[in-house]
Amino acid sequence: SQQGEEDPQALSIQEGENATMNCSYKTSINNLQWYRQNSGRGLVHLILIRSNEREKHSGRLRVTLDTSKKSSSLLITASRAADTASYFCATARGYNDMRFGAGTRLTVKP
Amino acid sequence: DAGVIQSPRHEVTEMGQEVTLRCKPISGHDYLFWYRQTMMRGLELLIYFNNNVPIDDSGMPEDRFSAKMPNASFSTLKIQPSEPRDSAVYFCASSLGGAVSGANVLTFGAGSRLTVL
Repeated sequence: SQQGEEDPQALSIQEGENATMNCSYKTSINNLQWYRQNSGRGLVHLILIRSNEREKHSGRLRVTLDTSKKSSSLLITASRAADTASYFCATARGYNDMRFGAGTRLTVKP
Repeated sequence: DAGVIQSPRHEVTEMGQEVTLRCKPISGHDYLFWYRQTMMRGLELLIYFNNNVPIDDSGMPEDRFSAKMPNASFSTLKIQPSEPRDSAVYFCASSLGGAVSGANVLTFGAGSRLTVL
């Protein structure tokens, strides 16, 4: 069963704009991760945030975590056409049983 | 390291046939996961192994599905007999376990696209 749910399901923006995707989850977690999937490829890990962290940055990525609301957001700043992909959040009830949401399909128009 | 290697990349078969999907994890990783991805159900965790031992197979849809990991460098997912509703992309992923590294970061293979006619 899925643990996280992303919102929106699809997002279309212009190059240079920021993209924000949200993830809600149901049970307590140890950490939350975001992955990216290009069409026809496997998922690639982007960033991890632990349950005792509130915000984390990696290049143009910014992730926030609100454990009281059981939600996380992924912000991609200054988006590029190459950022076009599906983005998934993943959580584990323990350390190991990683479960993914349905994903947000991001389209960045040049 | 060449990453997680899956084979075949594409498989087309007829209903009732046996399908075997293969996975070679990253050397040194002690966890291996099998996922199935469809438009309707998203990415589903089927089963995962730790040190070649199945830990949780609650996601395996039914008895037609079985998975094995005979050694640290090889795993198979078998469907027998296959049905059209099994058509999906099957991903294998491996990781260095969370209890060791503090979090389970998965490295995915490219996937095996299965079409059952």
